[in-house]
Amino acid sequence: AQSVTQLGSHVSVSEGALVLLRCNYSSSVPPYLFWYVQYPNQGLQLLLKYTSAATLVKGINGFEAEFKKSETSFHLTKPSAHMSDAAEYFCAVSKSGGSNYKLTFGKGTLLTVNP
Amino acid sequence: DTEVTQTPKHLVMGMTNKKSLKCEQHMGHRAMYWYKQKAKKPPELMFVYSYEKLSINESVPSRFSPECPNSSLLNLHLHALQPEDSALYLCASSQETGLVQETQYFGPGTRLLVL
Repeated sequence: AQSVTQLGSHVSVSEGALVLLRCNYSSSVPPYLFWYVQYPNQGLQLLLKYTSAATLVKGINGFEAEFKKSETSFHLTKPSAHMSDAAEYFCAVSKSGGSNYKLTFGKGTLLTVNP
Repeated sequence: DTEVTQTPKHLVMGMTNKKSLKCEQHMGHRAMYWYKQKAKKPPELMFVYSYEKLSINESVPSRFSPECPNSSLLNLHLHALQPEDSALYLCASSQETGLVQETQYFGPGTRLLVL
């Protein structure tokens, strides 16, 4: 069964510091992985997705993620945190639900950015 | 325009009420989804419509009744809900290309409180 695990339910960084949010997947076939962000009282917005075309994926707002098959990981990084990055981040995997594909989300990581 | 709209933003209802949540997209997407998100939890898939037909029902109780009147609209009819049904209800849509890496676009959600 395909699933994702996010390590750390809460990550706190200082403004300007590196952001690292961890996601590990469990899959017997090549996974299709996504990172979504949810700002307070809003819906989810796609940051980036892995589609097997490249292992280093660049997304919006300066975020990127690297797919590492040997480590079964797809960690999200940003070199320099900004106050506006404070939000909940979800890693997700797409898998077949029969006639459609379904997104299954990790439990989420809340990122707080301290001034 | 990559916007999914949802109305109302907030809804308070009693356990004997009947209400409906509405979702609309004008991106020409042919797949639409309902998710339920409890506080501090990831979204959980409820229903998927593909080309206006119900494709996936994740064993949701019958007090939730989805409807897809046309390719742009998705409703969720609510009847005899329980307090534990209080949550953020998210609508999403996607192109329905048949590709596993297809992006889902989310609306801002309706925050439901059942008294």
